[in-house]
Amino acid sequence: SQQGEEDPQALSIQEGENATMNCSYKTSINNLQWYRQNSGRGLVHLILIRSNEREKHSGRLRVTLDTSKKSSSLLITASRAADTASYFCAPKAADTGRRALTFGSGTRLQVQP
Amino acid sequence: ETGVTQSPTHLIKTRGQQVTLRCSSQSGHNTVSWYQQALGQGPQFIFQYYREEENGRGNFPPRFSGLQFPNYSSELNVNALELDDSALYLCASSSTAGGRGDTQYFGPGTRLTVL
Repeated sequence: SQQGEEDPQALSIQEGENATMNCSYKTSINNLQWYRQNSGRGLVHLILIRSNEREKHSGRLRVTLDTSKKSSSLLITASRAADTASYFCAPKAADTGRRALTFGSGTRLQVQP
Repeated sequence: ETGVTQSPTHLIKTRGQQVTLRCSSQSGHNTVSWYQQALGQGPQFIFQYYREEENGRGNFPPRFSGLQFPNYSSELNVNALELDDSALYLCASSSTAGGRGDTQYFGPGTRLTVL
């Protein structure tokens, strides 16, 4: 099944800095989603980018998608302590109608105040 | 519009026991998925239900079973608990309407500890 692999595994930055995390996957996709998880809680949907889109913005979030490299990146600008969380990508394979998501181990972001 | 809720929040069981976890889907959602998340790992797909029928299953043994009810609430049952079943269990609901079925809305999870 399609699974994204997030990189780096962990990232520590100062408040106000930008944070960039990457996701790589193996097969053709219909779309790719990013989710955030605060410690020990449920995941929160951040953004969905379709395979025919190259860039998408939502507030301080910017997601890019390069289908030729089978990769995506999530940029959080002007980070805040509240952005401290784990971030997961979930690529949706093009050959499945099932809506279940597959996740990698995530990127753990620590924003120091 | 109410969000996804799960109960209980925490649960402690011993090996060999059985457990039932519950999930109430977001209003208007007809699909529910269950995930298991071990400490430090990403969520792993257990199974999905659509209109009360199982609609896909991950790599989990038959002792993991589920139900979806007409009101789209759901249960996850685990029999013969093992120590490795200790994890955060997440329920997520979605809707097939409007072509937005790929976005899932997660509950806060149930933390299961097996001793």
